[in-house]
Amino acid sequence: GAGVSQSPRYKVAKRGQDVALRCDPISGHVSLFWYQQALGQGPEFLTYFQNEAQLDKSGLPSDRFFAERPEGSVSTLKIQRTQQEDSAVYLCASGLLASGANVLTFGAGSRLTVL
Amino acid sequence: KQEVTQIPAALSVPEGENLVLNCSFTDSAIYNLQWFRQDPGKGLTSLLLIQSSQREQTSGRLNASLDKSSGRSTLYIAASQPGDSATYLCAVRDRSNDYKLSFGAGTTVTVRA
Repeated sequence: GAGVSQSPRYKVAKRGQDVALRCDPISGHVSLFWYQQALGQGPEFLTYFQNEAQLDKSGLPSDRFFAERPEGSVSTLKIQRTQQEDSAVYLCASGLLASGANVLTFGAGSRLTVL
Repeated sequence: KQEVTQIPAALSVPEGENLVLNCSFTDSAIYNLQWFRQDPGKGLTSLLLIQSSQREQTSGRLNASLDKSSGRSTLYIAASQPGDSATYLCAVRDRSNDYKLSFGAGTTVTVRA
């Protein structure tokens, strides 16, 4: 597709439920990032993939968060046993390159609300 | 850890006035700095990217300056229009982890017609 597609756009979960958020990057993009944006804050780095390899997961808040990109294209961010503090917009971005010269394209985000 | 701060948090101006948005960062060992625009319910749109060796970048009515030694960048938007209303985010890439963006909390701009 022409851009980065994320689904679902909106998700309401009860505390304790598991959720899965999907990201379809631009075809051929090597880099893929997940960021978490709480209300009124800037995005915070969660994790980074280069093709199918997860090179940095240092931003994942706890072991309840898990991300994968098994075939180097679509990525899924999974959150187990959701908590209220997980409520945020989850942004996915992809880039053609694997370096800091990368120009990233961001998706519209998945807004998660945990009740 | 790199800390990025944006002042002011919000700004309201009448149409036609020039906008000045400030960004500061704590670690000057950056790879580049980038300004983004975020509209409600939409993703981030890149406006300008300044490499660490550059002092400024310009695109149309937008001009961004970078003073790496003092850890500051300023985004100027000339002759503001209501369509410029959005949240503007500043982000830096450190030399040590040049793939990762560290964002400020943003400045929300309202341009009144």
